[in-house]
Amino acid sequence: DTAVSQTPKYLVTQMGNDKSIKCEQNLGHDTMYWYKQDSKKFLKIMFSYNNKELIINETVPNRFSPKSPDKAHLNLHINSLELGDSAVYFCASSQGDWRSYNEQFFGPGTRLTVL
Amino acid sequence: DAKTTQPTSMDCAEGRAANLPCNHSTISGNEYVYWYRQIHSQGPQYIIHGLKNNETNEMASLIITEDRKSSTLILPHATLRDTAVYYCIVSQGWTGTASKLTFGTGTRLQVTL
Repeated sequence: DTAVSQTPKYLVTQMGNDKSIKCEQNLGHDTMYWYKQDSKKFLKIMFSYNNKELIINETVPNRFSPKSPDKAHLNLHINSLELGDSAVYFCASSQGDWRSYNEQFFGPGTRLTVL
Repeated sequence: DAKTTQPTSMDCAEGRAANLPCNHSTISGNEYVYWYRQIHSQGPQYIIHGLKNNETNEMASLIITEDRKSSTLILPHATLRDTAVYYCIVSQGWTGTASKLTFGTGTRLQVTL
């Protein structure tokens, strides 16, 4: 059973298009995250949701809009894609309480290539 | 910005212990030391964390110095599957809602035959 899953695994698209990446976790966690890993392998947090409420927004362009329909899902919609958006996007989740101690479970990643 | 310093790369022979150091001289009293690793093309994987005491689990041991300014992750018997980038991260624990992990550049551990 996959704990944190993302779709699609690969996404190739043209500049200016709008695309979405989906994330689902079956761990019963309250908190979910989106991270971006660029070509230099730096991994940076973008957003975090706790029980469908946005709690971390790390100065990400407003072309990126996360949406959490329920606490098991956190989708990432990107408008007007730019070349610089090419990266691997990781979704993660954590228990979101004192037991979690930042033990975050990561998905397999979505490699986005903007042409 | 990451608050830790790690060597860029290390090599280890299979079957030997891999000792990965991390400096975190500006760590504050309520911050934990976390270790994650990222095997090529996969998502990061939690390994272990600690506050001030040494910790051990099925994957690794974490040794934190008494002044908490540095730590060492120990993989007791490294295998080829342990080849990965290892990240040492300093962060608060539970903050009431969510905690932010700030990944640095990590140490690329290469386990060889």
